[in-house]
Amino acid sequence: AQSVTQPDIHITVSEGASLELRCNYSYGATPYLFWYVQSPGQGLQLLLKYFSGDTLVQGIKGFEAEFKRSQSSFNLRKPSVHWSDAAEYFCAVGNSGGGADGLTFGKGTHLIIQP
Amino acid sequence: SAVISQKPSRDICQRGTSLTIQCQVDSQVTMMFWYRQQPGQSLTLIATANQGSEATYESGFVIDKFPISRPNLTFSTLTVSNMSPEDSSIYLCSVHRGQNTEAFFGQGTRLTVV
Repeated sequence: AQSVTQPDIHITVSEGASLELRCNYSYGATPYLFWYVQSPGQGLQLLLKYFSGDTLVQGIKGFEAEFKRSQSSFNLRKPSVHWSDAAEYFCAVGNSGGGADGLTFGKGTHLIIQP
Repeated sequence: SAVISQKPSRDICQRGTSLTIQCQVDSQVTMMFWYRQQPGQSLTLIATANQGSEATYESGFVIDKFPISRPNLTFSTLTVSNMSPEDSSIYLCSVHRGQNTEAFFGQGTRLTVV
């Protein structure tokens, strides 16, 4: 069975500092990987996805993520965070159909931005 | 992309009652999903609802507790039956347009059972 681990429950970063959120997955085949962001009272918004090809993927709002098969990781990065980035971030893995059977989510990382 | 509308956005319900959540999509989609997000937790897939067939439930979820309808390609409902405080969660509808595409989510329904 597939699984996703986000080891950091909370992360606090100063505004303007760089950010890296960790994600490790367990999946038997080539995974389809996603990062979603959930702001308070909001639904989930897709930040970026990896299906195949270039292992460094660019997303919205200045985020990027790198797929490392050898480490089973898909860490999310941003060079300079803004106060509006404070939110809950979820890493998810889908099956070979890109999640056509539903997604498996990590427990989430709560990002706090210090002024 | 897909625009997904969920109703109600939130509700407070008495234990023992049932609530039906509606999910409307702005265009036809084959695959629709229902997730539960318990307080402070991640999302867990409840079931997959494809038009023209019975919903497929994940382990730990049963049709008697979470009946689902999918009458057409743009609409689905999830009912939370005989509610208890443990059912207090956010319930999210999601759609998927097929292979090699991403999933889109509604805003969710925040349910509190008292």
